[in-house]
Amino acid sequence: GEDVEQSLFLSVREGDSSVINCTYTDSSSTYLYWYKQEPGAGLQLLTYIFSNMDMKQDQRLTVLLNKKDKHLSLRIADTQTGDSAIYFCAELMNFNKFYFGSGTKLNVKP
Amino acid sequence: NAGVMQNPRHLVRRRGQEARLRCSPMKGHSHVYWYRQLPEEGLKFMVYLQKENIIDESGMPKERFSAEFPKEGPSILRIQQVVRGDSAAYFCASSWEQGYGYTFGSGTRLTVV
Repeated sequence: GEDVEQSLFLSVREGDSSVINCTYTDSSSTYLYWYKQEPGAGLQLLTYIFSNMDMKQDQRLTVLLNKKDKHLSLRIADTQTGDSAIYFCAELMNFNKFYFGSGTKLNVKP
Repeated sequence: NAGVMQNPRHLVRRRGQEARLRCSPMKGHSHVYWYRQLPEEGLKFMVYLQKENIIDESGMPKERFSAEFPKEGPSILRIQQVVRGDSAAYFCASSWEQGYGYTFGSGTRLTVV
């Protein structure tokens, strides 16, 4: 459960959709999460998905889970400049510890 | 409900000094977790504690680091004889049951000079 990988950077124009991808290695994880971190700040929980679900939608956020390929994605519709931040995917193991990816830095150009 | 409170927000220590980081969990939460975030990296699990007990310390460095969560008062992460490599953001999280209601604090940013 320790290998959670994400691409490092993503740049989009305001109003476009952003898709942030993540792969993980441990198929026994029960929940998979997306967190947002702004510079110098803590972690803000965006959304999570239970491992037996394929998709979850919450306003502008859509999470897709491909359990066979161990691939998780976060789509942000109508991306705004306020969405610029680092996005972390994380898997919760044994209900007590998270394994985080290294984060994807999203830059939204006006 | 004030959320998970960590203090100080920023801490500067000289090499060889001790750093003490405090975490007050959310009201009603009895499970506390500590994570470390090195620059440009994700968070790495350090230790999981319940009141007065260490449940999982598999991520704690073997030397100089210790953590406690006493019956009364906040959880403390203690780093003795700090070195430059200890410079990082240290995040605490708490939950009301193992894994449920997991909430992160804003972190303590430790700088060792």
